[in-house]
Amino acid sequence: KQEVTQIPAALSVPEGENLVLNCSFTDSAIYNLQWFRQDPGKGLTSLLLIQSSQREQTSGRLNASLDKSSGRSTLYIAASQPGDSATYLCAVGGDDMRFGAGTRLTVKP
Amino acid sequence: DTGVSQNPRHKITKRGQNVTFRCDPISEHNRLYWYRQTLGQGPEFLTYFQNEAQLEKSRLLSDRFSAERPKGSFSTLEIQRTEQGDSAMYLCASSGGVGGEGPETQYFGPGTRLLVL
Repeated sequence: KQEVTQIPAALSVPEGENLVLNCSFTDSAIYNLQWFRQDPGKGLTSLLLIQSSQREQTSGRLNASLDKSSGRSTLYIAASQPGDSATYLCAVGGDDMRFGAGTRLTVKP
Repeated sequence: DTGVSQNPRHKITKRGQNVTFRCDPISEHNRLYWYRQTLGQGPEFLTYFQNEAQLEKSRLLSDRFSAERPKGSFSTLEIQRTEQGDSAMYLCASSGGVGGEGPETQYFGPGTRLLVL
């Protein structure tokens, strides 16, 4: 059974700092990996999707990498802003995605 | 159509009652997914449809849970004889469109928050 772990569970940084969120998974036979953002009490917003054949994806200040052999993905956020404060979730699989519990990010002005 | 919609947004019910939630996916998407999310956890996959066919339902939490997508458009999730442990956010997602981040990208609705008293 695929297990997805996200470390740290919570992170607080000052505005402008670059940061890295980590996601690890136990079964490397994944179809894709997706990073989401979730604001309190809301649904999920897709940030980046990495196919199993890809190693990274970039969108604006976000860069996600995938290393299937080690079962790891990272989400890099450059020049963090208070508006980036949210919970960030990674999910692996295909149609039946398995999610980590998320990293709650706070960016302080 | 700007996104996935879910109704109602909030539902309070008494233990033992039946509840039904509705999800309207993005119109061109052929896949529709249901998840449950409890506080402090990531979403937990329940079931999904491709068009009207339910392709995976073994992860529905119990036989009290059922889902339908009769015409391959909107879907309903029903919970019979609700229990207090069913209190959670129920999320719907859709995928399968062309363009954007790719056909596999799942786009989520705002969720239905269920409270069972």
